[in-house]
Amino acid sequence: DGGITQSPKYLFRKEGQNVTLSCEQNLNHDAMYWYRQDPGQGLRLIYYSQIVNDFQKGDIAEGYSVSREKKESFPLTVTSAQKNPTAFYLCASSYPGGELFFGEGSRLTVL
Amino acid sequence: KQEVTQIPAALSVPEGENLVLNCSFTDSAIYNLQWFRQDPGKGLTSLLLIQSSQREQTSGRLNASLDKSSGRSTLYIAASQPGDSATYLCAAPSGGYNKLIFGAGTRLAVHP
Repeated sequence: DGGITQSPKYLFRKEGQNVTLSCEQNLNHDAMYWYRQDPGQGLRLIYYSQIVNDFQKGDIAEGYSVSREKKESFPLTVTSAQKNPTAFYLCASSYPGGELFFGEGSRLTVL
Repeated sequence: KQEVTQIPAALSVPEGENLVLNCSFTDSAIYNLQWFRQDPGKGLTSLLLIQSSQREQTSGRLNASLDKSSGRSTLYIAASQPGDSATYLCAAPSGGYNKLIFGAGTRLAVHP
Protein backbone atom coordinates (compact mmCIF):
# COMPACT_ATOMS: atom_id res chain seq x y z
CA ASP A 1 0.00 0.00 0.00
CA GLY A 2 1.27 3.43 -0.90
CA GLY A 3 1.52 6.00 1.82
CA ILE A 4 3.56 8.12 4.19
CA THR A 5 5.19 6.59 7.26
CA GLN A 6 6.24 8.70 10.21
CA SER A 7 8.27 7.42 13.14
CA PRO A 8 8.33 7.38 16.04
CA LYS A 9 4.68 7.96 16.90
CA TYR A 10 5.60 9.28 20.36
CA LEU A 11 8.91 10.81 21.39
CA PHE A 12 10.16 12.31 24.63
CA ARG A 13 13.08 14.71 24.74
CA LYS A 14 15.08 16.15 27.57
CA GLU A 15 16.04 19.80 27.60
CA GLY A 16 19.09 20.45 25.39
CA GLN A 17 18.75 17.34 23.25
CA ASN A 18 18.36 17.16 19.49
CA VAL A 19 15.82 14.67 18.15
CA THR A 20 15.11 13.49 14.61
CA LEU A 21 11.68 12.59 13.26
CA SER A 22 11.55 10.24 10.31
CA CYS A 23 9.27 10.60 7.26
CA GLU A 24 9.26 8.12 4.39
CA GLN A 25 6.89 8.05 1.39
CA ASN A 26 6.40 5.52 -1.39
CA LEU A 27 3.98 7.61 -3.44
CA ASN A 28 6.73 8.80 -5.82
CA HIS A 29 5.89 12.40 -4.89
CA ASP A 30 8.40 15.11 -5.68
CA ALA A 31 7.38 17.52 -2.91
CA MET A 32 7.52 16.85 0.83
CA TYR A 33 6.57 19.03 3.79
CA TRP A 34 6.78 19.28 7.55
CA TYR A 35 4.02 20.95 9.55
CA ARG A 36 3.64 21.63 13.24
CA GLN A 37 0.26 21.54 15.00
CA ASP A 38 -0.42 22.98 18.44
CA PRO A 39 -3.66 22.36 20.38
CA GLY A 40 -6.61 24.22 18.92
CA GLN A 41 -4.55 25.73 16.13
CA GLY A 42 -4.16 25.14 12.44
CA LEU A 43 -1.05 23.68 10.89
CA ARG A 44 2.06 25.82 10.42
CA LEU A 45 4.69 25.07 7.78
CA ILE A 46 8.21 24.37 9.06
CA TYR A 47 10.11 23.31 5.91
CA TYR A 48 9.31 22.02 2.45
CA SER A 49 11.25 20.40 -0.36
CA GLN A 50 10.33 20.31 -4.03
CA ILE A 51 13.21 18.13 -5.25
CA VAL A 52 16.08 16.08 -3.88
CA ASN A 53 18.92 18.09 -2.31
CA ASP A 54 16.81 21.26 -2.17
CA PHE A 55 14.54 22.61 0.57
CA GLN A 56 13.05 25.93 1.69
CA LYS A 57 12.13 27.43 5.04
CA GLY A 58 8.49 27.74 5.92
CA ASP A 59 6.92 30.15 8.39
CA ILE A 60 8.45 28.70 11.58
CA ALA A 61 11.83 27.19 10.58
CA GLU A 62 13.87 28.55 13.50
CA GLY A 63 15.19 25.71 15.69
CA TYR A 64 14.57 23.03 13.05
CA SER A 65 16.68 21.47 10.31
CA VAL A 66 15.95 19.07 7.44
CA SER A 67 17.69 17.11 4.71
CA ARG A 68 16.48 15.62 1.41
CA GLU A 69 19.09 13.16 0.22
CA LYS A 70 16.55 10.74 -1.26
CA LYS A 71 13.22 11.35 -2.96
CA GLU A 72 11.48 9.05 -0.49
CA SER A 73 12.83 10.54 2.72
CA PHE A 74 12.58 13.92 4.45
CA PRO A 75 13.76 13.74 8.10
CA LEU A 76 13.20 16.65 10.49
CA THR A 77 15.61 17.43 13.33
CA VAL A 78 14.29 19.42 16.27
CA THR A 79 17.33 21.11 17.75
CA SER A 80 17.96 22.42 21.24
CA ALA A 81 17.52 25.92 19.80
CA GLN A 82 13.77 25.30 19.44
CA LYS A 83 12.42 26.86 22.62
CA ASN A 84 8.98 25.29 22.65
CA PRO A 85 9.21 21.98 20.78
CA THR A 86 6.31 20.15 22.43
CA ALA A 87 3.81 19.69 19.58
CA PHE A 88 2.31 17.30 17.04
CA TYR A 89 4.46 17.06 13.90
CA LEU A 90 2.96 16.11 10.55
CA CYS A 91 4.76 15.13 7.37
CA ALA A 92 3.07 15.40 3.98
CA SER A 93 3.83 14.88 0.30
CA SER A 94 2.36 15.73 -3.08
CA TYR A 95 2.98 16.10 -6.76
CA PRO A 96 3.62 19.76 -7.67
CA GLY A 97 0.30 21.57 -7.33
CA GLY A 98 -1.48 18.34 -6.50
CA GLU A 99 -3.40 16.82 -3.63
CA LEU A 100 -1.59 16.79 -0.30
CA PHE A 101 -1.31 13.51 1.62
CA PHE A 102 -0.31 13.23 5.27
CA GLY A 103 1.33 10.71 7.56
CA GLU A 104 -0.11 9.76 10.95
CA GLY A 105 2.03 12.25 12.85
CA SER A 106 4.66 12.21 15.60
CA ARG A 107 3.95 13.64 19.04
CA LEU A 108 7.00 15.18 20.70
CA THR A 109 7.02 15.99 24.40
CA VAL A 110 9.83 17.81 26.21
CA LEU A 111 10.41 16.56 29.74
CA LYS B 1 -0.11 37.00 2.41
CA GLN B 2 -2.77 34.28 2.48
CA GLU B 3 -4.96 33.99 5.55
CA VAL B 4 -7.57 31.25 5.97
CA THR B 5 -10.48 31.49 8.38
CA GLN B 6 -13.02 28.80 9.26
CA ILE B 7 -16.43 29.38 10.76
CA PRO B 8 -17.83 28.05 13.04
CA ALA B 9 -15.00 26.87 15.30
CA ALA B 10 -17.22 24.15 16.72
CA LEU B 11 -20.55 22.60 15.83
CA SER B 12 -22.75 20.05 17.60
CA VAL B 13 -25.72 18.59 15.74
CA PRO B 14 -28.11 15.63 15.97
CA GLU B 15 -27.67 12.76 13.57
CA GLY B 16 -29.31 13.22 10.17
CA GLU B 17 -28.87 16.96 9.81
CA ASN B 18 -27.38 18.56 6.71
CA LEU B 19 -24.39 20.77 7.55
CA VAL B 20 -22.45 23.62 6.00
CA LEU B 21 -18.89 24.40 7.05
CA ASN B 22 -17.38 27.67 5.89
CA CYS B 23 -13.87 28.60 4.80
CA SER B 24 -12.72 32.06 3.70
CA PHE B 25 -9.38 33.09 2.24
CA THR B 26 -7.85 36.49 1.58
CA ASP B 27 -5.79 35.88 -1.58
CA SER B 28 -8.11 34.77 -4.38
CA ALA B 29 -5.24 34.02 -6.78
CA ILE B 30 -5.33 30.35 -5.90
CA TYR B 31 -5.03 27.37 -8.22
CA ASN B 32 -6.92 24.97 -5.91
CA LEU B 33 -8.32 24.52 -2.40
CA GLN B 34 -8.34 21.37 -0.33
CA TRP B 35 -10.56 20.07 2.49
CA PHE B 36 -9.29 17.63 5.12
CA ARG B 37 -10.62 15.63 8.03
CA GLN B 38 -8.64 15.02 11.22
CA ASP B 39 -9.60 12.54 13.94
CA PRO B 40 -8.16 13.11 17.45
CA GLY B 41 -4.45 12.31 17.63
CA LYS B 42 -4.29 11.35 13.96
CA GLY B 43 -2.94 12.77 10.74
CA LEU B 44 -5.07 14.56 8.15
CA THR B 45 -7.14 12.70 5.57
CA SER B 46 -7.77 14.44 2.27
CA LEU B 47 -11.50 14.75 1.52
CA LEU B 48 -11.79 16.92 -1.56
CA LEU B 49 -9.51 18.94 -3.83
CA ILE B 50 -11.17 21.66 -5.90
CA GLN B 51 -9.24 23.09 -8.83
CA SER B 52 -9.62 26.80 -9.55
CA SER B 53 -11.40 25.97 -12.82
CA GLN B 54 -14.09 24.01 -10.94
CA ARG B 55 -16.94 25.38 -8.87
CA GLU B 56 -17.84 22.13 -7.09
CA GLN B 57 -16.43 18.75 -6.20
CA THR B 58 -18.40 15.84 -4.78
CA SER B 59 -17.51 12.65 -2.95
CA GLY B 60 -20.34 10.59 -1.50
CA ARG B 61 -22.24 12.71 1.06
CA LEU B 62 -19.68 15.51 0.79
CA ASN B 63 -19.86 18.44 -1.58
CA ALA B 64 -17.36 21.30 -1.66
CA SER B 65 -17.85 24.54 -3.55
CA LEU B 66 -15.35 27.23 -4.44
CA ASP B 67 -16.03 30.90 -5.18
CA LYS B 68 -12.70 32.60 -5.88
CA SER B 69 -14.22 36.03 -6.47
CA SER B 70 -15.66 36.17 -2.96
CA GLY B 71 -12.79 34.25 -1.34
CA ARG B 72 -15.03 31.51 0.01
CA SER B 73 -15.39 27.76 0.01
CA THR B 74 -18.07 25.67 1.70
CA LEU B 75 -18.15 22.01 2.65
CA TYR B 76 -21.64 20.53 2.65
CA ILE B 77 -22.23 17.29 4.57
CA ALA B 78 -25.52 15.57 3.83
CA ALA B 79 -27.36 13.38 6.32
CA SER B 80 -24.70 13.62 9.02
CA GLN B 81 -23.72 10.51 11.00
CA PRO B 82 -21.89 10.03 14.34
CA GLY B 83 -18.92 8.75 12.33
CA ASP B 84 -18.58 12.20 10.77
CA SER B 85 -17.47 13.58 14.13
CA ALA B 86 -13.99 15.03 13.60
CA THR B 87 -12.21 18.30 12.91
CA TYR B 88 -12.51 19.60 9.36
CA LEU B 89 -9.77 21.83 7.94
CA CYS B 90 -9.47 23.74 4.71
CA ALA B 91 -6.20 24.83 3.12
CA ALA B 92 -5.39 27.32 0.36
CA PRO B 93 -2.09 27.97 -1.42
CA SER B 94 0.05 31.01 -0.69
CA GLY B 95 2.81 32.44 -2.85
CA GLY B 96 3.21 29.40 -5.04
CA TYR B 97 1.69 26.00 -5.32
CA ASN B 98 3.88 24.27 -2.79
CA LYS B 99 2.89 26.27 0.28
CA LEU B 100 -0.53 25.63 1.82
CA ILE B 101 -2.03 27.78 4.55
CA PHE B 102 -4.47 26.03 6.87
CA GLY B 103 -7.47 27.32 8.75
CA ALA B 104 -7.82 26.46 12.45
CA GLY B 105 -10.58 23.99 11.64
CA THR B 106 -14.21 23.32 12.58
CA ARG B 107 -14.69 20.72 15.31
CA LEU B 108 -17.84 18.74 14.49
CA ALA B 109 -19.76 16.51 16.89
CA VAL B 110 -22.71 14.50 15.56
CA HIS B 111 -24.72 12.88 18.35
CA PRO B 112 -27.15 9.98 17.94
